Amino acid sequence: RKEVEQDPGPFNVPEGATVAFNCTYSNSASQSFFWYRQDCRKEPKLLMSVYSSGNEDGRFTAQLNRASQYISLLIRDSKLSDSATYLCVAIPTTSGTYKYIFGTGTRLKVLA
Amino acid sequence: EPEVTQTPSHQVTQMGQEVILRCVPISNHLYFYWYRQILGQKVEFLVSFYNNEISEKSEIFDDQFSVERPDGSNFTLKIRSTKLEDSAMYFCASSPLGQNQPQHFGDGTRLSIL
Repeated sequence: RKEVEQDPGPFNVPEGATVAFNCTYSNSASQSFFWYRQDCRKEPKLLMSVYSSGNEDGRFTAQLNRASQYISLLIRDSKLSDSATYLCVAIPTTSGTYKYIFGTGTRLKVLA
Repeated sequence: EPEVTQTPSHQVTQMGQEVILRCVPISNHLYFYWYRQILGQKVEFLVSFYNNEISEKSEIFDDQFSVERPDGSNFTLKIRSTKLEDSAMYFCASSPLGQNQPQHFGDGTRLSIL
């Protein structure tokens, strides 16, 4: 089983739609999780951290479900500019150096 | 906002040659990382560096790879004898101390081995 697993997509949604991505992780001891956004051939950019209590930043909501070992990202009122690949990241607790384990990413295309 | 900077943006090298990729992490950050992303694949961890030494490295980071922080601001990745399969985007990242502190990535160096 992959350490961090995501549906690669693409998810094609119309502008204004709500879209949700899930990501599963295999290491139950993982403590920290993040969502990054990556545009084509660019660097990952932090979208948001994922907290146990869930967190919201404008149109974006992240949730963590430890029992089922998955995290989710919800995007409301999608914009054309949201088109990108969304990367799920976990930090395994066994790593003393906070290295990132990335998922393969989920591609989102928002259509006009 | 402070950012991680990387040079060059694109490096083309003949197989077997040495390359050095350069990074300037954010100044008050303490952890430094190199990742790579082969075209069409996921981002993979190479090495982390803390307190002037390697703190963790992946299986990819073999004897052909080395890192250095020569002067307190630059952080370099050297590949001694490049192979075709080293062609990838290489990202440098840095973070403050602490598990919940997110890493900030540079805009990458695209390495093309001919």
